[in-house]
Amino acid sequence: GEDVEQSLFLSVREGDSSVINCTYTDSSSTYLYWYKQEPGAGLQLLTYIFSNMDMKQDQRLTVLLNKKDKHLSLRIADTQTGDSAIYFCAERGGSNYKLTFGKGTLLTVNP
Amino acid sequence: ETGVTQTPRHLVMGMTNKKSLKCEQHLGHNAMYWYKQSAKKPLELMFVYSLEERVENNSVPSRFSPECPNSSHLFLHLHTLQPEDSALYLCASSQDLGVRYSNQPQHFGDGTRLSIL
Repeated sequence: GEDVEQSLFLSVREGDSSVINCTYTDSSSTYLYWYKQEPGAGLQLLTYIFSNMDMKQDQRLTVLLNKKDKHLSLRIADTQTGDSAIYFCAERGGSNYKLTFGKGTLLTVNP
Repeated sequence: ETGVTQTPRHLVMGMTNKKSLKCEQHLGHNAMYWYKQSAKKPLELMFVYSLEERVENNSVPSRFSPECPNSSHLFLHLHTLQPEDSALYLCASSQDLGVRYSNQPQHFGDGTRLSIL
């Protein structure tokens, strides 16, 4: 089946930029998503990118997509302690509604 | 507030009990989903409903029984669960299932943390 891979941990200092990386295998992906999960909560949709785009910016968030390498990244500028959470990458295949999720990256922001 | 409300937030039950998880969405969506989130594993899709009709049963054991009485409500009935069923159960909804180039992001509730004794 299709697969989505993410590194499990990332630690940054407050005020620095964070870059969370994701790779996927489905060459027919249409949409790719980033979700955030805070402790005790569900998944919050942060942003998404359509597969024919290579960049999308939304305030402090920048999504980069390299479709050739099947690589997606989420950059958080000026990372704050409130950004500490688990970040999930998910891709939607070409022919249906199913999302394939990575295992999530735990972002820790140190003061 | 995501527009998707799950109750209860926490549930502890014995293996012989019967309980139900409830999900309600206030977004006017037509599709609803149940996911299982276990430690160190990717989210597992369990069931999908579209316009109250089940369109996906992802090889889920029969001790989990979903019910979708209308497009706003989704239940997961539980009976004779096993310890490995302890997990966070997440409900999600989307406008529709969507077709190839139609973006239909899924919106999640906060989940029910289920512990099986």
